[in-house]
Amino acid sequence: GNSVTQMEGPVTLSEEAFLTINCTYTATGYPSLFWYVQYPGEGLQLLLKATKADDKGSNKGFEATYRKETTSFHLEKGSVQVSDSAVYFCALLAGGTSYGKLTFGQGTILTVHP
Amino acid sequence: EPEVTQTPSHQVTQMGQEVILRCVPISNHLYFYWYRQILGQKVEFLVSFYNNEISEKSEIFDDQFSVERPDGSNFTLKIRSTKLEDSAMYFCASNRLAGGRTGELFFGEGSRLTVL
Repeated sequence: GNSVTQMEGPVTLSEEAFLTINCTYTATGYPSLFWYVQYPGEGLQLLLKATKADDKGSNKGFEATYRKETTSFHLEKGSVQVSDSAVYFCALLAGGTSYGKLTFGQGTILTVHP
Repeated sequence: EPEVTQTPSHQVTQMGQEVILRCVPISNHLYFYWYRQILGQKVEFLVSFYNNEISEKSEIFDDQFSVERPDGSNFTLKIRSTKLEDSAMYFCASNRLAGGRTGELFFGEGSRLTVL
């Protein structure tokens, strides 16, 4: 079956530190990959996506590259801000599935201190 | 900016009671979903709904669960006889038909259900 594994959290960083949140996946076919973010008191929202191997998704200074050879989609940001404190979810949409049936990782809580 | 809204934000109920969680999806969206997250576990797909019928459901979505779009705006999840293990955060989501297989869902803030 399809599955997504994220690095264990929580992650605590100082402002301007470099962020990496690891994500690996198992899927049949050619999945699309996503990072969703949930800020306090809000719903999950799409942060970035990549639909094929070697694609790089980017948004708000965050980046992730779809690596088929390592089945990974690690999230990175060069300099985090306090406002980046949130829960980050890696997810996949398997090829051939119905629209919107996402498989999520367990989420990683990020806290950024001033 | 349009958003998905869910009510209640938190509901506490006794085991065996019926619960209805409500969602108002974004108005021009046509696909609707329920996901849930048990504390400390992954967000899990429950059901997708399109054109007034279920298009796909997970094995979690057994006969105790049902969904309905009773009017043009609401989308509800009913749990007929709640169990302790139904305690979770329930997320409603929607997307546009034109979004195709983009995977970009628009989520509500969630409804936390606590079964005692």
